[in-house]
Amino acid sequence: DTEVTQTPKHLVMGMTNKKSLKCEQHMGHRAMYWYKQKAKKPPELMFVYSYEKLSINESVPSRFSPECPNSSLLNLHLHALQPEDSALYLCASSRGHSSSYEQYFGPGTRLTVT
Amino acid sequence: AQKITQTQPGMFVQEKEAVTLDCTYDTSDPSYGLFWYKQPSSGEMIFLIYQGSYDQQNATEGRYSLNFQKARKSANLVISASQLGDSAMYFCAMREGGSSNTGKLIFGQGTTLQVKP
Repeated sequence: DTEVTQTPKHLVMGMTNKKSLKCEQHMGHRAMYWYKQKAKKPPELMFVYSYEKLSINESVPSRFSPECPNSSLLNLHLHALQPEDSALYLCASSRGHSSSYEQYFGPGTRLTVT
Repeated sequence: AQKITQTQPGMFVQEKEAVTLDCTYDTSDPSYGLFWYKQPSSGEMIFLIYQGSYDQQNATEGRYSLNFQKARKSANLVISASQLGDSAMYFCAMREGGSSNTGKLIFGQGTTLQVKP
């Protein structure tokens, strides 16, 4: 099973709302990632968690707040977003950080900020 | 600095024919991995194939093969017998494995492939 699940599939939120994106994997992977992807562009790395600890924050604005409650779950808390934050948010996981480990992606959450 | 270049923004191929998607990379790390992903319009990134920098043989996975030319720093994806379902965006990506390894996956700009019936 190489499945990464993400909920919700679609999300529309106002600039004053607080919402959360959820990601789950049951492959025993110890590295998890959040990416942001604009249309027709490659994914941009936002955060990396390694063994449930935040290891990389790619200078992401504080209105995005990641959380890793356990080894299977990854959340992205959203607050006071801007319209330019509208994008596809992808979660991924891998066994670790070795260059030979592929990342498995979830189906993504399409976020629209109004 | 590591970099991935995909020079073909869009490609067309006739159904049942083979197509090659180009990818060149740049890294000073002797240990790295190269990956190809497919992204249909639905959005999910699907892992297709992996090639390690020390692998002697080109990787193959079903209809996908990776033409790895290390001296030229190229890792082209070859799709044989194209199918309509192959229409998607394809990304080449790289992870470095040396002491600076952070687990980051660096993506190229992508190539949109359209398969014609």
